[in-house]
Amino acid sequence: NAGVMQNPRHLVRRRGQEARLRCSPMKGHSHVYWYRQLPEEGLKFMVYLQKENIIDESGMPKERFSAEFPKEGPSILRIQQVVRGDSAAYFCASSPPGLAGGSSREQYFGPGTRLTVT
Amino acid sequence: GQQVMQIPQYQHVQEGEDFTTYCNSSTTLSNIQWYKQRPGGHPVFLIQLVKSGEVKKQKRLTFQFGEAKKNSSLHITATQTTDVGTYFCAGGSTLGRLYFGRGTQLTVWP
Repeated sequence: NAGVMQNPRHLVRRRGQEARLRCSPMKGHSHVYWYRQLPEEGLKFMVYLQKENIIDESGMPKERFSAEFPKEGPSILRIQQVVRGDSAAYFCASSPPGLAGGSSREQYFGPGTRLTVT
Repeated sequence: GQQVMQIPQYQHVQEGEDFTTYCNSSTTLSNIQWYKQRPGGHPVFLIQLVKSGEVKKQKRLTFQFGEAKKNSSLHITATQTTDVGTYFCAGGSTLGRLYFGRGTQLTVWP
């Protein structure tokens, strides 16, 4: 059973370009989460999606950032008109469907996409 | 909103010494999970605690969940260089999302 896959692993973009980050969850997982991590810092929650639905996007900047998890295909995190401050590692995680005892299930993380904005 | 605080932010120990990281929440948690991230790597799930006062062990690692389900700790006995990394606690919610602490970065000197 393949783990969570993310691509690309490294992405370099110039200021003003668009960045598209892809995440394929583990087989059988229907919940996807995106996190952002700066060097030496913790994981900042961005968005929680289920198939075709955004469940919680409270961590997403209001402008330039969007996420989707279509019925078919990977989840996409899209950053428009990137700026230097967007440089970070972006991790995707997936979890099995349902809740464990009415609460969050464990999450399995992908290797991350390291975005560098020049 | 729900917040999870974790201390200390950094911990440097000599190999063989013990290590503990603490996690506190402003609200009662549904569960608590712990993750480890090696330098340059991605977070890896370690364990989940659900019951009030629960204690679980994994070899040299001991995990505790407080009676009020608002705090938790991870204790490593006799650290080894392979324990190096950042340890994150994460509070679960009934909505499915996890609330991560800032993490404790552990350095182990040989």
